[in-house]
Amino acid sequence: GEDVEQSLFLSVREGDSSVINCTYTDSSSTYLYWYKQEPGAGLQLLTYIFSNMDMKQDQRLTVLLNKKDKHLSLRIADTQTGDSAIYFCASWRTDKLIFGTGTRLQVFP
Amino acid sequence: GAGVSQSPRYKVTKRGQDVALRCDPISGHVSLYWYRQALGQGPEFLTYFNYEAQQDKSGLPNDRFSAERPEGSISTLTIQRTEQRDSAMYRCASSLVTIGLAAYEQYFGPGTRLTVT
Repeated sequence: GEDVEQSLFLSVREGDSSVINCTYTDSSSTYLYWYKQEPGAGLQLLTYIFSNMDMKQDQRLTVLLNKKDKHLSLRIADTQTGDSAIYFCASWRTDKLIFGTGTRLQVFP
Repeated sequence: GAGVSQSPRYKVTKRGQDVALRCDPISGHVSLYWYRQALGQGPEFLTYFNYEAQQDKSGLPNDRFSAERPEGSISTLTIQRTEQRDSAMYRCASSLVTIGLAAYEQYFGPGTRLTVT
């Protein structure tokens, strides 16, 4: 199967860290992605990780990959109100992206 | 530089009408993808092109849906005899190359919100 699953909702206080989780079923996924969707805007590519890596850090973003458990997470340090959006996990399968249902992140002051 | 653009941004049409959705990829990008996103869901793959050649159309729901990219740049997704279940956000994405690391980076446009009444 090609399922990618995420929790639907996450609420955090401004300044705290956010951790968004994702599980996928296809062990042959070569790349795994995080996209951000804000209202009225397209999907913004945040970061992605090759399947033979277990961690990637990019400024406030840290991606962790547990290939054995097929679990991907995105940690956002020092979460800001501007980080409020829907975050999609996606896996690369053959020649296309397979997306999860998205996690809505709400940041409150 | 300019990103992926799509037009129209919003389209309301009556059931049974044909619609054409346009995507203008980032200049120089050779691969172009179409996705459909229902409310509350993630995007689902429809079809993609390398240059003008349609490589995979396995995601097109039925033969009412077709896509073309005749000159390897702008693409049109056409839905014939629209039905209410076709209502969704239609998203286009492009990537720079077909092989190598950059092939795995897809950049999305703002989408076209289609409503069929």
